[in-house]
Amino acid sequence: KQEVTQIPAALSVPEGENLVLNCSFTDSAIYNLQWFRQDPGKGLTSLLLIQSSQREQTSGRLNASLDKSSGRSTLYIAASQPGDSATYLCAVRGNAGNNRKLIWGLGTSLAVNP
Amino acid sequence: DAGVIQSPRHEVTEMGQEVTLRCKPISGHDYLFWYRQTMMRGLELLIYFNNNVPIDDSGMPEDRFSAKMPNASFSTLKIQPSEPRDSAVYFCASSSRQYQETQYFGPGTRLLVL
Repeated sequence: KQEVTQIPAALSVPEGENLVLNCSFTDSAIYNLQWFRQDPGKGLTSLLLIQSSQREQTSGRLNASLDKSSGRSTLYIAASQPGDSATYLCAVRGNAGNNRKLIWGLGTSLAVNP
Repeated sequence: DAGVIQSPRHEVTEMGQEVTLRCKPISGHDYLFWYRQTMMRGLELLIYFNNNVPIDDSGMPEDRFSAKMPNASFSTLKIQPSEPRDSAVYFCASSSRQYQETQYFGPGTRLLVL
């Protein structure tokens, strides 16, 4: 059974710092991995999607990497800003058939202090 | 497009009452997902549809929960009878095979069962 873990559960950093959020999964047989952002009281917004054949994806100040064999992904945020404060969740999709089900981590709550 | 639309945004009801949550997916999307989010369990997939057909309902907690998708632009999640442990935020999301399966989330319905 796939399990997704995110460490740390919470993180507080000063503005401008580069930071790394971690996601690990127990079953390496994944189809893709996604990172989402959730602002308080809001829905989730997709940030990056990495297919199982890819090593990383970049969008602006965000870079996500995937090491399928070790069951790890990292989300790197460069030059953090107060507007980056949110909860970041990772989710994996298994590669069994055509199932679209995502397994989710509990998230990392990030606070970027001005 | 207006994005995924959910109603109501907040619902307070008493134990034993019927609750109906509604969702309008993004036009043209062929997948629709219902999630429940709690502090303790995080985000859990309840059920998802493809072209209005339920594909995986293994996350539906019990027979008190039911979901329908009568057409491509509307879905409902019903809880009857409701219990205090059903209190959570319920999200609807939709996706399209054409866009790398990125899921687009609605703002959620915050349900409180007294």
